[in-house]
Amino acid sequence: GAVVSQHPSWVICKSGTSVKIECRSLDFQATTMFWYRQFPKQSLMLMATSNEGSKATYEQGVEKDKFLINHASLTLSTLTVTSAHPEDSSFYICSARNGTRNNQPQHFGDGTRLSIL
Amino acid sequence: LAKTTQPISMDSYEGQEVNITCSHNNIATNDYITWYQQFPSQGPRFIIQGYKTKVTNEVASLFIPADRKSSTLSLPRVSLSDTAVYYCLVGGNNFNKFYFGSGTKLNVKP
Repeated sequence: GAVVSQHPSWVICKSGTSVKIECRSLDFQATTMFWYRQFPKQSLMLMATSNEGSKATYEQGVEKDKFLINHASLTLSTLTVTSAHPEDSSFYICSARNGTRNNQPQHFGDGTRLSIL
Repeated sequence: LAKTTQPISMDSYEGQEVNITCSHNNIATNDYITWYQQFPSQGPRFIIQGYKTKVTNEVASLFIPADRKSSTLSLPRVSLSDTAVYYCLVGGNNFNKFYFGSGTKLNVKP
């Protein structure tokens, strides 16, 4: 149980392109989803917290107009990297929690490798 | 916000027991402690979670002292496939955010 699917697993595109990444909870309803990015040999950095039906909360330094997050249903959140540039190349990972009780852990997708040429 | 501190790296040999300790001095009353394993180019994988004392599952044990300011992940009889980065996370209260520390890179040698 508690499977999170992330799509696509990797994408290569030209500079200036917008890229959408999907995060789905397959066997549970995710009240809250999180988006992280990870650079090589570094830890995961929280970008934003997404709650179903409300606006995402972005971490300091993360441009909300650059990284558009939509959490339209209890099983789907999307991250759109708008007008992507080479510096946006990274490994993007989503996670989801099944409910809001204190003992509900996050379950992670397998990440999306984004490469901007 | 509970910050976590772990050793950057550890070495071990196949068949040994490995203990990785995480410090979280300002853990909140309602926070749970969760450990994850991450392989390169994959998302973190849930290992174990606990609140106090000891928790055991089929892959690991988690020891939490009474003051809860630290926790120790114990991996029995590691194999080469356990080479990965291990993270401890502290949090869980309602919509609380989760911040990753540096993690511990475990290198298991033959």
